[in-house]
Amino acid sequence: GEDVEQSLFLSVREGDSSVINCTYTDSSSTYLYWYKQEPGAGLQLLTYIFSNMDMKQDQRLTVLLNKKDKHLSLRIADTQTGDSAIYFCAERIGLGGRRALTFGSGTRLQVQP
Amino acid sequence: NAGVTQTPKFRVLKTGQSMTLLCAQDMNHEYMYWYRQDPGMGLRLIHYSVGEGTTAKGEVPDGYNVSRLKKQNFLLGLESAAPSQTSVYFCASSPEQLQPQHFGDGTRLSIL
Repeated sequence: GEDVEQSLFLSVREGDSSVINCTYTDSSSTYLYWYKQEPGAGLQLLTYIFSNMDMKQDQRLTVLLNKKDKHLSLRIADTQTGDSAIYFCAERIGLGGRRALTFGSGTRLQVQP
Repeated sequence: NAGVTQTPKFRVLKTGQSMTLLCAQDMNHEYMYWYRQDPGMGLRLIHYSVGEGTTAKGEVPDGYNVSRLKKQNFLLGLESAAPSQTSVYFCASSPEQLQPQHFGDGTRLSIL
């Protein structure tokens, strides 16, 4: 995922908020997604945001999109040990094409009790 | 709700052997995708299909073939396995092009 970058690791304490950041390079991105991957499992869609939105909130999850800076963030409120996983940011560029979704390398979130 | 099912879950092959990975979805989705996931990298698209009977190349198609004879199934074939194809393979499907993709649990493939 050279076009989508994420930090590799984040450690937080249980009950704190987690903020996972992502930067992308293609300004024509239409949708941006957050997926969660637990050990030995596939990717689970957490939430997504259309490029004409600035923010989307879904229970404990808040997604912020700054199109000017091409920056996407995922905030998890009241982080729990069950939130420990790898979080992938992905962008969908236009229609068709060979890339479908372009993924970042993933951020490993470790929640300490 | 089965969703997207991949078989097998694990496989070890010798260099030069061939095998087929099966992906089945029961959501009547038009679009299906095969990705590979390597350590420290995001998922990379191998091949995809926009409907029954169609296939198209993704970012890293070399060494793989696919078939979509039935809408619910998308097969990924390795004709002559190479150690560089050691990876975790994920299948995904979506109802439309811009709709979120639903992923299977992955197939861990090791080639010796």
